[in-house]
Amino acid sequence: DAGITQSPRYKITETGRQVTLMCHQTWSHSYMFWYRQDLGHGLRLIYYSAAADITDKGEVPDGYVVSRSKTENFPLTLESATRSQTSVYFCASGQGADEQYFGPGTRLTVT
Amino acid sequence: GENVEQHPSTLSVQEGDSAVIKCTYSDSASNYFPWYKQELGKRPQLIIDIRSNVGEKKDQRIAVTLNKTAKHFSLHITETQPEDSAVYFCAASINYGQNFVFGPGTRLSVLP
Repeated sequence: DAGITQSPRYKITETGRQVTLMCHQTWSHSYMFWYRQDLGHGLRLIYYSAAADITDKGEVPDGYVVSRSKTENFPLTLESATRSQTSVYFCASGQGADEQYFGPGTRLTVT
Repeated sequence: GENVEQHPSTLSVQEGDSAVIKCTYSDSASNYFPWYKQELGKRPQLIIDIRSNVGEKKDQRIAVTLNKTAKHFSLHITETQPEDSAVYFCAASINYGQNFVFGPGTRLSVLP
């Protein structure tokens, strides 16, 4: 699991600030994903990417922006953070229609 | 879009007993059904998965069954141990995309 990392692990930011969460994987997996995890909602897909320069919306994309200029990186940006975006964010990667490998997560608090 | 329901939300069993968690899905096109285990403060990890062309899959103490007609699938854990205590998530997918949807999770407690 050391093959997928997230940074920072913890972040506190203020409402209205822009914040970027980083995700890096060393397996050269084609697919990468961003989820948010909130109590009572399980894991909800924010965005995913099938390859470099290809991204698509998931279930809850509003307020988030992603990019994927390199296969190994998939940053998630909150353009203007809101309190409702306080959550644990997980990045994941996978080679195809198989197991998704999750990163360790980023706990984000928006005050 | 896809909707995945999961029951029960919490489950307590005595060590050595069996545990069963059930999920239902709404999109008949879903063809991949993984189960993830998440220990407290840790990342989700795949424990078993099943594809739509298979009715049952087993891996040691863990098994998953799928009923495509009824659109439900279940996780079975036999001879439970304290280390099985965690939150378990089911999911349904049409080979990725917007329809990769997780259930809300089941908190399993195995009592010694």
